[in-house]
Amino acid sequence: EPEVTQTPSHQVTQMGQEVILRCVPISNHLYFYWYRQILGQKVEFLVSFYNNEISEKSEIFDDQFSVERPDGSNFTLKIRSTKLEDSAMYFCASTGGAGNQPQHFGDGTRLSIL
Amino acid sequence: RKEVEQDPGPFNVPEGATVAFNCTYSNSASQSFFWYRQDCRKEPKLLMSVYSSGNEDGRFTAQLNRASQYISLLIRDSKLSDSATYLCVVGSGTYKYIFGTGTRLKVLA
Repeated sequence: EPEVTQTPSHQVTQMGQEVILRCVPISNHLYFYWYRQILGQKVEFLVSFYNNEISEKSEIFDDQFSVERPDGSNFTLKIRSTKLEDSAMYFCASTGGAGNQPQHFGDGTRLSIL
Repeated sequence: RKEVEQDPGPFNVPEGATVAFNCTYSNSASQSFFWYRQDCRKEPKLLMSVYSSGNEDGRFTAQLNRASQYISLLIRDSKLSDSATYLCVVGSGTYKYIFGTGTRLKVLA
């Protein structure tokens, strides 16, 4: 079964540094998402991406965050200047269609900010 | 009112028991509904979509009540392997999916 893959599985970074989290969505999917989950808390929507632009973003997704689809396969989340509170699990997801399609999740990147 | 609400639990049930979870949502225009399960420190995995007429997949039954704005999940004949957190997810428009906080289930031997 096709999978969403994420790299790295664990990223440790000093506060203030930039990080790029990578995702390869399922190949024929068109809609891409990033979520985060702080330890012990709920999964929180960050951003959705379709047709090479952001479709919707949450309040969490401020100017420190950006997303990009640099080629036909990768979908990246960049955090420009990391803060301690950015420590979380970051999940990428994709769907094949709009609206009522279920999302398929990657196994996440654990981001630890020191 | 939270967009998607769930009782966090934990629900501790013996093997073989039937257990039900509810989830309420605030946006009456919500279009799609799902149940996911999440094991500790793992990614959410789709359990089932929820359709207007209700649907069943083996021991799992999901129902949607649009008038009261809630969805439910029923698990029959609980197994130890059902122990996990069950996440209610509501599609709010085309590009946004909102997660509930999740309900923890522990099935006891």
